[in-house]
Amino acid sequence: AQTVTQSQPEMSVQEAETVTLSCTYDTSESDYYLFWYKQPPSRQMILVIRQEAYKQQNATENRFSVNFQKAAKSFSLKISDSQLGDAAMYFCAYRINNAGNMLTFGGGTRLMVKP
Amino acid sequence: NAGVMQNPRHLVRRRGQEARLRCSPMKGHSHVYWYRQLPEEGLKFMVYLQKENIIDESGMPKERFSAEFPKEGPSILRIQQVVRGDSAAYFCASSPRVSSGYEQYFGPGTRLTVT
Repeated sequence: AQTVTQSQPEMSVQEAETVTLSCTYDTSESDYYLFWYKQPPSRQMILVIRQEAYKQQNATENRFSVNFQKAAKSFSLKISDSQLGDAAMYFCAYRINNAGNMLTFGGGTRLMVKP
Repeated sequence: NAGVMQNPRHLVRRRGQEARLRCSPMKGHSHVYWYRQLPEEGLKFMVYLQKENIIDESGMPKERFSAEFPKEGPSILRIQQVVRGDSAAYFCASSPRVSSGYEQYFGPGTRLTVT
């Protein structure tokens, strides 16, 4: 079975500090994408960042960056200069390309940001 | 371009009633995915549809659940004879194509409460 594991149910960070959310996944496929989604209290799923598995370079989007370790099947999210608006549930997900493209999600990490 | 629309946003049903959840994909999107999010969990894939076709329903419960995406009109997720365990948030996502580069865009979800 293909799974995504987020081992941190909750994380806390001080405003302006940096926090890293962990994610590991298990798949035998070689062609896939990895994602981090943010779900604020409104419940809207917001794409934060994505990574193509064939790319060695880690993706970056402003204050958000990933550490993609393909051999270890690890995909962590780093949030720099944390802001109060970053407080939300964060979900790691992957998608196997050209196999329906449905997303498989982890259980989520609740991030709290302290002022 | 309007985003993915779901209605209703909140739906309350008594046990044994039917629930109908609607999803209007983004303009130009012909692929629709339904996901279910139980309380304190990540999203779980239910079904993937193209216009007039069910492509993958491997995540759908075998009984009481059905989905359609007609040539005209929104996609419908139908739950017959609802039970308390059906209480969850149901998300729809759409995509223009099923190729590696195309993202899924999520709607705001429908929160179903079964009393």
